[in-house]
Amino acid sequence: AQSVTQLGSHVSVSEGALVLLRCNYSSSVPPYLFWYVQYPNQGLQLLLKYTSAATLVKGINGFEAEFKKSETSFHLTKPSAHMSDAAEYFCAVTALKGGNQFYFGTGTSLTVIP
Amino acid sequence: NAGVTQTPKFRVLKTGQSMTLLCAQDMNHEYMYWYRQDPGMGLRLIHYSVGEGTTAKGEVPDGYNVSRLKKQNFLLGLESAAPSQTSVYFCASSPTLRQPQHFGDGTRLSIL
Repeated sequence: AQSVTQLGSHVSVSEGALVLLRCNYSSSVPPYLFWYVQYPNQGLQLLLKYTSAATLVKGINGFEAEFKKSETSFHLTKPSAHMSDAAEYFCAVTALKGGNQFYFGTGTSLTVIP
Repeated sequence: NAGVTQTPKFRVLKTGQSMTLLCAQDMNHEYMYWYRQDPGMGLRLIHYSVGEGTTAKGEVPDGYNVSRLKKQNFLLGLESAAPSQTSVYFCASSPTLRQPQHFGDGTRLSIL
């Protein structure tokens, strides 16, 4: 079985501060992991993906995420928040073997305070 | 490049009415998905398809039917709409299960 948990449904940071959005997964097989961003009234857009090539993954808009197998985590970070980063962020997981579905976390809403 | 296109963008139905949501993709993707998004619940998979002529149930399939007669289209049907089906519906597609999904802009559906 596999699933993904996002800790914190709402996160607020000051403009220029570090952004840290948490994602933990459970999977019986090595996972593929993704972070998506959703701006108001839009669909989801891919931020970055982990596909076992490298544990530190860089994405668009200055975001990056680190795959930590020992902690079953894939947290999303950005060194300096910008007002335009305010959005909903979703972590997602799929597996290399078995299953045929794609699991999304419940999302984290990021607010950036000027 | 249109990507994934959903029609309609908005719709209001009365309880018991039926309707079909259309999803079209121009990327030649094999996999297509229908999700619903509700506050605090993230995205929940309704049905999906792994290729033309195939469909499979997701996490919340009850009350919905789907069809994939053509590779580029994935239809979601509500036979008898209920207020609990008020939601934002998203369609997505991907080349394979392991690759990122491409999403449409959603359909806002209200059922009175």
